[in-house]
Amino acid sequence: SQQGEEDPQALSIQEGENATMNCSYKTSINNLQWYRQNSGRGLVHLILIRSNEREKHSGRLRVTLDTSKKSSSLLITASRAADTASYFCATVYNSGNTPLVFGKGTRLSVIA
Amino acid sequence: GAGVSQTPSNKVTEKGKYVELRCDPISGHTALYWYRQSLGQGPEFLIYFQGTGAADDSGLPNDRFFAVRPEGSVSTLKIQRTERGDSAVYLCASSLGGQHTEAFFGQGTRLTVV
Repeated sequence: SQQGEEDPQALSIQEGENATMNCSYKTSINNLQWYRQNSGRGLVHLILIRSNEREKHSGRLRVTLDTSKKSSSLLITASRAADTASYFCATVYNSGNTPLVFGKGTRLSVIA
Repeated sequence: GAGVSQTPSNKVTEKGKYVELRCDPISGHTALYWYRQSLGQGPEFLIYFQGTGAADDSGLPNDRFFAVRPEGSVSTLKIQRTERGDSAVYLCASSLGGQHTEAFFGQGTRLTVV
């Protein structure tokens, strides 16, 4: 299936450190989005970056997009224990009217 | 409503039974998505509606799965002859439509087939 792939699968850091997660995808995209999921069930949208953008910021979040490498990264600065969650990238492909397609996620643990 | 609402939040059913899962999207959202998620995995796409019609149903695993959205608002995911492998969290999301919009997710329905 047309899924993005996150890397690493799991990441454990100390509070205050930065966390970087990467996402690779397969075909041309219209945009790429990052979502967060706590141990409950709902996913929360974090940030959307369009294919003609290279970097976006939102609070402590920084997302980059490299369309030549078909990859994106999510950086969380000055991490907090409350950032512990799973993070997913999701892509909207260019081929017609397509839905969001999710990767398998990165499980982030921030240790206080 | 304030957000996407899914009912029931939990459903336990016996193998072979029929189940319906309901999704109430955010008012005015034309796009509606169904996903299912197994433990430790990402959401797996099932079907996507724009208005009343299924724009993409390529993710439905087999003909036991069917979804409708008759009035372009509430959607129902229907699973016939349930199997133990259907056990998962079924997630619904809605968006304003258009490719540059974020999706808002419900809390999901945890389906357990025993």
